[in-house]
Amino acid sequence: QSALTQPPSASGSPGQSVTISCTGTSSDVGGYNYVSWYQQHPGKAPKLMIYDVSKRPSGVPDRFSGSKSGITASLTVSGLQAEDEADYYCSSFVRTNTAHVIFGGGTKLTVL
Amino acid sequence: QLQLQESGPGLVKPSETLSLTCTVSGGSISSSSYNWAWIRQPPGKGLEWIGSITYNRKTYYNPSLKSRLTISVETSKSQFSLTLTSVTAADTAVYYCARDQTGGSCPDWGQGTLVTVSS
Repeated sequence: QSALTQPPSASGSPGQSVTISCTGTSSDVGGYNYVSWYQQHPGKAPKLMIYDVSKRPSGVPDRFSGSKSGITASLTVSGLQAEDEADYYCSSFVRTNTAHVIFGGGTKLTVL
Repeated sequence: QLQLQESGPGLVKPSETLSLTCTVSGGSISSSSYNWAWIRQPPGKGLEWIGSITYNRKTYYNPSLKSRLTISVETSKSQFSLTLTSVTAADTAVYYCARDQTGGSCPDWGQGTLVTVSS
């Protein structure tokens, strides 16, 4: 099972909005509403930012939003702040021969 | 608040077996609402889902690791464990344990432990 496809990098200025895509197949992103997004700062464990495509865990700012269309999920960060600079990973439940989870390759978000 | 802590050797020789344990505190490992997952990250690279286990010991494994992988749970100790056999340098990574609430969404993570495979 190949990893989900994310752009390696994205950038934006403070206050702007940035959208990161995550493309899979009908067996994963397109087939289930189990897409999650994680933020990871250097040397830290990942932090769940979005789950079930568009739900935000308690404490995550509403500047972070998620959506899905077909086999592509998206994370949008609005009102960019310096602390949003981090690596972002998507993940999806997948069922082919077996049920498991796959991650995207990650996107480095730079706040200019 | 739920806390997870990984433990195990930081250095494993090639062809040997990697074993890690995750201790869960501040919550019940026996809850039917969650799975317990292992995820790893090679130095400078992305995340890779290893597998997970339910409270009643049903396992879900990454197909690429399945032949070498065992995940188990010891509810009496609030621990779950990872065993990976025949390791190579490609298994060098930071290994994280996490709580999986639904479909791979993990709101709680351990701090991670670096395991290096080297002779």
